[in-house]
Amino acid sequence: EAGVAQSPRYKIIEKRQSVAFWCNPISGHATLYWYQQILGQGPKLLIQFQNNGVVDDSQLPKDRFSAERLKGVDSTLKIQPAKLEDSAVYLCASGFLGNTEAFFGQGTRLTVV
Amino acid sequence: GDSVTQMEGPVTLSEEAFLTINCTYTATGYPSLFWYVQYPGEGLQLLLKATKADDKGSNKGFEATYRKETTSFHLEKGSVQVSDSAVYFCALSDYEYSTLTFGKGTMLLVSP
Repeated sequence: EAGVAQSPRYKIIEKRQSVAFWCNPISGHATLYWYQQILGQGPKLLIQFQNNGVVDDSQLPKDRFSAERLKGVDSTLKIQPAKLEDSAVYLCASGFLGNTEAFFGQGTRLTVV
Repeated sequence: GDSVTQMEGPVTLSEEAFLTINCTYTATGYPSLFWYVQYPGEGLQLLLKATKADDKGSNKGFEATYRKETTSFHLEKGSVQVSDSAVYFCALSDYEYSTLTFGKGTMLLVSP
């Protein structure tokens, strides 16, 4: 079974530039999550989708971050403009509602200089 | 809100030593509890889970028991190997939305 796919694996940008990350979840998984993992910390939820609807985006900095999940499958997370403090690993995960396991991709490591 | 507290690392052990990584949580309702592992350069992988009080999760020699009375989910392994070197995250998930709340992670370093 194919896992959660993310791209790119690494990205370096200058502050105030924009960047986009892509995620393809495991086939059949209705729930998709984006987490931000800052170095030395645990992942923090940014946004959760159920199919193509947003379930929770309370911790998404909406002035600069946006995410969409068209057709309830792939998802894109965008940052515009980026700040130095956005340097982190961005993890995509997928699964089902109801206390079950979330499957994580390898993440995109973003460095903002 | 929900939170997870786990012991700070790094935890440094010799091969075949006994491992305990403490984890306590604060949550409303009845969360599920998880341990995830992150090997260098890789994504998070589920190590084990428990969905209700007194359940014991186990995998690859690791065990953890869901203790509701002490709100704890400590990770244990009787004999660690060099290949167990990684960062371990304790996490909880609420039933309704299944979002994970993670601890800060504990780095384990095992030397031969």
